[in-house]
Amino acid sequence: DGGITQSPKYLFRKEGQNVTLSCEQNLNHDAMYWYRQDPGQGLRLIYYSQIVNDFQKGDIAEGYSVSREKKESFPLTVTSAQKNPTAFYLCASSTTRGGSLNIQYFGAGTRLSVL
Amino acid sequence: RKEVEQDPGPFNVPEGATVAFNCTYSNSASQSFFWYRQDCRKEPKLLMSVYSSGNEDGRFTAQLNRASQYISLLIRDSKLSDSATYLCVVPPEGDYKLSFGAGTTVTVRA
Repeated sequence: DGGITQSPKYLFRKEGQNVTLSCEQNLNHDAMYWYRQDPGQGLRLIYYSQIVNDFQKGDIAEGYSVSREKKESFPLTVTSAQKNPTAFYLCASSTTRGGSLNIQYFGAGTRLSVL
Repeated sequence: RKEVEQDPGPFNVPEGATVAFNCTYSNSASQSFFWYRQDCRKEPKLLMSVYSSGNEDGRFTAQLNRASQYISLLIRDSKLSDSATYLCVVPPEGDYKLSFGAGTTVTVRA
């Protein structure tokens, strides 16, 4: 089945710890995205990547880091600098043709909580 | 002004009712729009794309008003399974990133 796989589904972070969220896609999409969603709020863009070995900061990149070494993979690290990491993290992918062709497909998400 | 604004609701309607809500956007150059559906604690999923004046898919109708810069979603003959949060999404013209509204919550009661 084609799609986006995020793991783990639930993750707990201790104070001062870095944690990494996994996102893998087999849709052959060039673009991948990370969003954060807080209860009752919309999606906020953390980082995005158009192509392998390149990525850009979104609206709330502070305290996060990413890498894009393979087209299929776009892991997100929540660093200890992120003081309020508890949220629902969503990974998405799309083509890069833009405009009306820019449907994004989402993984099932990772719920991160602080111990 | 936010790029995309939605009435958060909640809209609480009985089964069989019609419910409609709007989404306003700030970028007049935007040419296409999406409605996503998000169930509680789940990921958003594409419900409908809107490329011209509107789109209809079964009980769901989306309409675009470019002059007033809003899109609407109408759900006819509401089902219990329609209970969800509906996200309005606008791709800025010439960019592949999306701007998401905060969502409109609909609850259909028996």
